[in-house]
Amino acid sequence: DTAVSQTPKYLVTQMGNDKSIKCEQNLGHDTMYWYKQDSKKFLKIMFSYNNKELIINETVPNRFSPKSPDKAHLNLHINSLELGDSAVYFCASSPGHSGANVLTFGAGSRLTVL
Amino acid sequence: AQSVTQLGSHVSVSEGALVLLRCNYSSSVPPYLFWYVQYPNQGLQLLLKYTSAATLVKGINGFEAEFKKSETSFHLTKPSAHMSDAAEYFCAVSLPYNQGGKLIFGQGTELSVKP
Repeated sequence: DTAVSQTPKYLVTQMGNDKSIKCEQNLGHDTMYWYKQDSKKFLKIMFSYNNKELIINETVPNRFSPKSPDKAHLNLHINSLELGDSAVYFCASSPGHSGANVLTFGAGSRLTVL
Repeated sequence: AQSVTQLGSHVSVSEGALVLLRCNYSSSVPPYLFWYVQYPNQGLQLLLKYTSAATLVKGINGFEAEFKKSETSFHLTKPSAHMSDAAEYFCAVSLPYNQGGKLIFGQGTELSVKP
């Protein structure tokens, strides 16, 4: 039973398209995150939600819009895709956002923009 | 502001040799520190964490790390490398609760293990 599941695992699309990545966790956690891993493996947080409320919104282009319909789901929608959006996007969850919490990561969604 | 620096983007050891992956942090408050491992084409998983209890922290798969406040370091070690240890390792520091508990990762260190 996968704890944090992301779909799709691979996504290949053209510049200018709009795409979504979905994430679900069955751990009963209150906090969910989106991280972006670039081609050099650098991981950067994009967004964090706690119980459906946005608590972290990094300097991310507003083409990226997260949506949390309930605390078990955090989806990422990207408009007008650009070449630089190509990356692996990781969803994660944690019991809370106290700082001591351990994050559980999904397997990642590899986005390739042509 | 919190930050993490991992020394060496790539470390290569022979099977059975000591593994030492270096991590230094900066933090304006007592930090929470973590090591995560990423196997090829997988997400990250926790190896170990320091949350102000014992300074020597033991993790999974024989790894351990020592928190040294005077050196602002949290180096990861394993006495004897195994082929299955080949992976990308990330050191991370988290921000306090009132800053969202954000986890800041280092640049990562790729560990190769030679037979």
